[in-house]
Amino acid sequence: DAMVIQNPRYQVTQFGKPVTLSCSQTLNHNVMYWYQQKSSQAPKLLFHYYDKDFNNEADTPDNFQSRRPNTSFCFLDIRSPGLGDAAMYLCATSRSMDWTYEQYFGPGTRLTVT
Amino acid sequence: SQQGEEDPQALSIQEGENATMNCSYKTSINNLQWYRQNSGRGLVHLILIRSNEREKHSGRLRVTLDTSKKSSSLLITASRAADTASYFCATDAEGNTPLVFGKGTRLSVIA
Repeated sequence: DAMVIQNPRYQVTQFGKPVTLSCSQTLNHNVMYWYQQKSSQAPKLLFHYYDKDFNNEADTPDNFQSRRPNTSFCFLDIRSPGLGDAAMYLCATSRSMDWTYEQYFGPGTRLTVT
Repeated sequence: SQQGEEDPQALSIQEGENATMNCSYKTSINNLQWYRQNSGRGLVHLILIRSNEREKHSGRLRVTLDTSKKSSSLLITASRAADTASYFCATDAEGNTPLVFGKGTRLSVIA
């Protein structure tokens, strides 16, 4: 089945130690998104790629970076994780960004910072 | 901000009852979507309603949209324990901007 896959599902890192979360998709969608979701809160968009075009949300900290080496894969790099970065990180895809699109989400990676 | 606001924040009902959740937003939209999120999982798309539509059905789901009031409601009929989840509305402002999600309603259906 076509899907969005995130690895790992659970990640523990130390304060200040760089960490990379990965996302892959078999849907061949043009757009990939990274969201941060803290407990009982709305998913917050960090950035998205439309093909190779990178779009950073204005309030996304510089500590967060992303790479999309090809259509199928997208990575979230947290250069120096702080305790406040502990959250669920959700990857999503959509076919396009016209007004009828829906997003397909992966299962998420829960990041713990110790 | 165009962020949707769901109401209520939490809802607890008995199996078989209907559940109604509301979403209000601030700016003109192209469409409004509802998503479900089971605990510790990703979001699953439920239904999309366009700004020129007033009502849409999908199985036990009924969504209404009132653009004059900038509000939408999601009705789940004959609820089941498996409907226990958080439900989010998401809107995109005119101009093909990314979706913005509300804070969600946590629904508990008690068997």
